[in-house]
Amino acid sequence: SYELTQPPSVSVSPGQTARITCSGDALPKQYTYWYQQRSGQAPVMIIYKDTERPSRIPERFSGSNSGTTVTLTISGVQAEDEADYYCQSADSTGSYEVFGGGTKLTVL
Amino acid sequence: QVQLQESGPGLVKPSQTLSLTCTVSGGSISNGRYSWSWIRQPAGGGLEWIGRLSTSGNTNYSPSLKSRVTISVDTSKNQFSLELTSVTAADTAVYYCAGRGGPFDYWGQGTLVTVSS
Repeated sequence: SYELTQPPSVSVSPGQTARITCSGDALPKQYTYWYQQRSGQAPVMIIYKDTERPSRIPERFSGSNSGTTVTLTISGVQAEDEADYYCQSADSTGSYEVFGGGTKLTVL
Repeated sequence: QVQLQESGPGLVKPSQTLSLTCTVSGGSISNGRYSWSWIRQPAGGGLEWIGRLSTSGNTNYSPSLKSRVTISVDTSKNQFSLELTSVTAADTAVYYCAGRGGPFDYWGQGTLVTVSS
C-alpha cells in the first residue's frame, strides 16, 4: 500500500530554520496536511492543502510542494516548536489516507 | 467550538471486537463541511490512519485494516463509531477521533485501548 517517507529526526538551534521533508509518489496529485504533536497531546493541523496555514498557526510555519516531495519549513525555530511532525496525504485515487512515519524536531 | 470525545471500553480481550464512539458537540456531524476520521497511535509509535466518513457520506478504510473495520454514523446522536474485529495485542493503542474541513481540524483527547486477556 501507499507510503509517505519522512526523516526520523531533525535538529536545529533556536532561531534557525528547520525543514522537514515528506516524499510520496502520489503527492503531485493529492493534497498534503501537516500535523504537530507535542508530547502527551493530540495532534494539531498546522498546514493544509500543501501550503495553506490556519490563522491560529504562527506565520513561521509554511509548506511547499515540489512534485513528489513536500516540505514543512519552520523559520526562526523556538523552543516550543520541539515536537513530532507528521505529514498526511491520500493515495493516487483518493481512496484512503496515510501518515508519514513522523519526524522528531529537537531544538538544541 | 466543535469538540470531540471518544468513549468505549479501555480493555478488550484478544479475538473480540473493539467498539468506540465519538460524540461531536458544538456542530452538526451531518453538515457536509467536515470529514470524520479514526486514527490510532501505539505507545511510542507514529500515527496510523484507520478510516473516515467523507463529506459526501462515503466511508474509506486503510487497506491494512479494511477487512476488520467498520465506521458508522448516528446523526440523531451526533456520533460516529468504530468497530474493529478480531483484535490482537498489535491493536493496543491510543485511539483518536478527528474532524477536518478547510482550515479547521478537531481532535478528541484520545482513549487508550489495551488488548489483553
